[in-house]
Amino acid sequence: DTEVTQTPKHLVMGMTNKKSLKCEQHMGHRAMYWYKQKAKKPPELMFVYSYEKLSINESVPSRFSPECPNSSLLNLHLHALQPEDSALYLCASSRGKSSYNEQFFGPGTRLTVL
Amino acid sequence: QKEVEQDPGPLSVPEGAIVSLNCTYSNSAFQYFMWYRQYSRKGPELLMYTYSSGNKEDGRFTAQVDKSSKYISLFIRDSQPSDSATYLCAMSDTGGFKTIFGAGTRLFVKA
Repeated sequence: DTEVTQTPKHLVMGMTNKKSLKCEQHMGHRAMYWYKQKAKKPPELMFVYSYEKLSINESVPSRFSPECPNSSLLNLHLHALQPEDSALYLCASSRGKSSYNEQFFGPGTRLTVL
Repeated sequence: QKEVEQDPGPLSVPEGAIVSLNCTYSNSAFQYFMWYRQYSRKGPELLMYTYSSGNKEDGRFTAQVDKSSKYISLFIRDSQPSDSATYLCAMSDTGGFKTIFGAGTRLFVKA
């Protein structure tokens, strides 16, 4: 298995909803990432987990809450989002030590906040 | 000044042309250089991954890194309409976690 999968593909939610995005990889990678991408912009790093520990939080608002239950799974819990949070949310993974920068991306979840 | 500069285009070429995509950067600590291809409404796909200076070839794609000039390039030979996408350069230092992306160049290959 050489891919990163993300569910759901699309998500529409209201500002009072709670929802979660899920990411999974079975490549044995030990680093996993969440990125946010707005239209015609490059991906922006949100969080990095390395060996299941949160290593980077790029000053992301607390309405986004990451979770890494095990080395294959990464979740992003969403609560009380704003319309400006609408974007493509990308998950990525990489092998880990000595190879963090070779990242493989999933197809993304397209989020719309009404 | 941004850490990574990339012309957003769009760049339009006829089928079969050689395409040259470029990025410049300012941080001399960058050691790892990547090129990603992103189709509309899809996730980025890693095309090329190089360490330090030099050339790397993979099929129709050639990546070049010139650290002395802080300049990287991606060449696409015999371009095809299926190459129409946004190409993102990306780079990181030896610490690894943080990858800095260029703005992306939109490429259109006309049949």
